[in-house]
Amino acid sequence: GDSVTQMEGPVTLSEEAFLTINCTYTATGYPSLFWYVQYPGEGLQLLLKATKADDKGSNKGFEATYRKETTSFHLEKGSVQVSDSAVYFCALSDPAGGSYIPTFGRGTSLIVHP
Amino acid sequence: GAVVSQHPSWVICKSGTSVKIECRSLDFQATTMFWYRQFPKQSLMLMATSNEGSKATYEQGVEKDKFLINHASLTLSTLTVTSAHPEDSSFYICSARLPGYNEQFFGPGTRLTVL
Repeated sequence: GDSVTQMEGPVTLSEEAFLTINCTYTATGYPSLFWYVQYPGEGLQLLLKATKADDKGSNKGFEATYRKETTSFHLEKGSVQVSDSAVYFCALSDPAGGSYIPTFGRGTSLIVHP
Repeated sequence: GAVVSQHPSWVICKSGTSVKIECRSLDFQATTMFWYRQFPKQSLMLMATSNEGSKATYEQGVEKDKFLINHASLTLSTLTVTSAHPEDSSFYICSARLPGYNEQFFGPGTRLTVL
């Protein structure tokens, strides 16, 4: 079945540092890939997405490129801020099964210090 | 666009009582909504898929008599935790699929604490 593997956290960085959160996936079809962010005590917000190979999703300085050859969708940001502290979930949705139910990774906590 | 709301945002109840959580799609019609449960520092666990006008589809291990789901309209799904116990305390999140798109939009979540 489909699965998503994220790097374990927490990831602790100083403000303005470069961020990479690794995400790899396995899927039977041609999934869409997503990054969601969850701030403390809140629900999930869609951060960015990519629907086909080589697409780059970007939002709020975050980027991720859909790499079919390496089955990866790593999240990057050039200069993190304290306000980026949150839990980040990588997810895929494979319409091949017809359900559109996303498969989530376990989440990676990011802590940014001033 | 594509906003999903939940109500209440938090609730505290006594053991043995029932609690209803509402999930609404505010600016689109959702034939399918989803209910998740999230334990502290863990990922989301899909509980059930709520289909408008028909019975919900529950994931394995989720008690359908414990977690009653009703999807009476295209913009509203409700989750009722019946005879709640402290082990039901959790963060419950709903989502709705935007028709025609392979994407879901999530509500802000409901924190349930059962004393």
